[in-house]
Amino acid sequence: QKEVEQNSGPLSVPEGAIASLNCTYSDRGSQSFFWYRQYSGKSPELIMSIYSNGDKEDGRFTAQLNKASQYVSLLIRDSQPSDSATYLCAVRPYGNNRLAFGKGNQVVVIP
Amino acid sequence: DTGVSQDPRHKITKRGQNVTFRCDPISEHNRLYWYRQTLGQGPEFLTYFQNEAQLEKSRLLSDRFSAERPKGSFSTLEIQRTEQGDSAMYLCASSPRDRGLSGELFFGEGSRLTVL
Repeated sequence: QKEVEQNSGPLSVPEGAIASLNCTYSDRGSQSFFWYRQYSGKSPELIMSIYSNGDKEDGRFTAQLNKASQYVSLLIRDSQPSDSATYLCAVRPYGNNRLAFGKGNQVVVIP
Repeated sequence: DTGVSQDPRHKITKRGQNVTFRCDPISEHNRLYWYRQTLGQGPEFLTYFQNEAQLEKSRLLSDRFSAERPKGSFSTLEIQRTEQGDSAMYLCASSPRDRGLSGELFFGEGSRLTVL
């Protein structure tokens, strides 16, 4: 079982729409959860972190965490062409200093 | 703050050769990580340093891989007897201690390895 799973294929959304990304994780003891954005040919950059159940909003981004279901999601509102990138879900397993990453979901925003 | 610097950015080598990558973290960061990323996959953890101590190493990491951070500043990752399966982007990241557990890793631009 993979530590972090992102199973959705590429997501195409029209400009201005909401993009929704999902992620599940296997270690029930995990306490820290992150979304990174990676543009093609570039390195990952942190866009959201969340540590407790519920929603966390930052600008057009909302992260949602449900520890009981071991589920993390990211919503991108009013999607812009500049949001076209791969979004990586990352989790810090209990007792670890490293982050475990999912394989990422590609988002394409169509003007 | 000049960011995390990695060198070389690109390396092409023949199978069986040794290669070494260097990472210079953000100066005040005491935590340093190496990850490997292949096309269509997320970064895969290789190893982690706190200051000069290598505290964690992936069980999947072959004995051909070795990393050092001799003075707690820059780090090197060496791959001996390279194989075609080693072709990947090698990412270095650093984190300050006070935010180390927050997960905010600052990544370098990576060193892309191609093994022919």
